[in-house]
Amino acid sequence: AQSVTQLGSHVSVSEGALVLLRCNYSSSVPPYLFWYVQYPNQGLQLLLKYTSAATLVKGINGFEAEFKKSETSFHLTKPSAHMSDAAEYFCAVSASTGGFKTIFGAGTRLFVKA
Amino acid sequence: DTAVSQTPKYLVTQMGNDKSIKCEQNLGHDTMYWYKQDSKKFLKIMFSYNNKELIINETVPNRFSPKSPDKAHLNLHINSLELGDSAVYFCASSQDLKGANEQFFGPGTRLTVL
Repeated sequence: AQSVTQLGSHVSVSEGALVLLRCNYSSSVPPYLFWYVQYPNQGLQLLLKYTSAATLVKGINGFEAEFKKSETSFHLTKPSAHMSDAAEYFCAVSASTGGFKTIFGAGTRLFVKA
Repeated sequence: DTAVSQTPKYLVTQMGNDKSIKCEQNLGHDTMYWYKQDSKKFLKIMFSYNNKELIINETVPNRFSPKSPDKAHLNLHINSLELGDSAVYFCASSQDLKGANEQFFGPGTRLTVL
C-alpha cells in the first residue's frame, strides 16, 4: 500500500520569498507522484506530476518538484511567492499496485504575507 | 465549457432526509470518482467507477449509493442523512485507471446536515 505525509499543515512565507512544501511518500513499487492545488471554494487542479521520466518536474505557475528516491521525497518549490499562491496544496501518490487508488496527503495551507 | 460539473453546489438539509448529487464530465474519460473532504481538508476516496463498473468501494456506510448511468455521469445518493455527513463532496474523472493519470475535479458540493 502507498502513503504520503505532508510535513507542516500550515506554511507562511513573505511575498517574493522561496516556497518549500514538503512531501514524503511510502511505496513498495515505483510510485507516481502528484501535487494538486486547491483555491478557496474550488476543486483541486493539477500543478505537476512525476511518472518516472525526469526527476525534476516543472509545473504550472512557476512551481517545480524533485523526486528523490533515496529520501522518498517529492518536495514542491517555487523561487518567489506571489499573493495569488495562497491556497491549500496536496501531495498525492498512486502506483501499479494499491487497487488503482490515489492517496492524498492531509494538505498544507500556504499563506503569503505582503 | 466546464470539464467536470456537479449539481447542486450547496445542499442544506435536515437529518434523516435523502438527497442526491449529480456529476457529469465532458472529457471523454473512462473513470470517475467521488471524494469526501472534511472540515480539516482531508480528502478521502469513496467510490470509483470505470466504464460504469464499480472499481473502488471504500468503507463507506451503505446509506451512500453511487450510480453511473453512462461513463460520463456518476451520481451519489445518500439516504437517512446524518450530521457527520456534512462535508464537501468532490466528483473527479481521469482518462482511465492507470495510476499515472491526473484527476480532474469538479467544483464540489457543500453538504450541510442540520
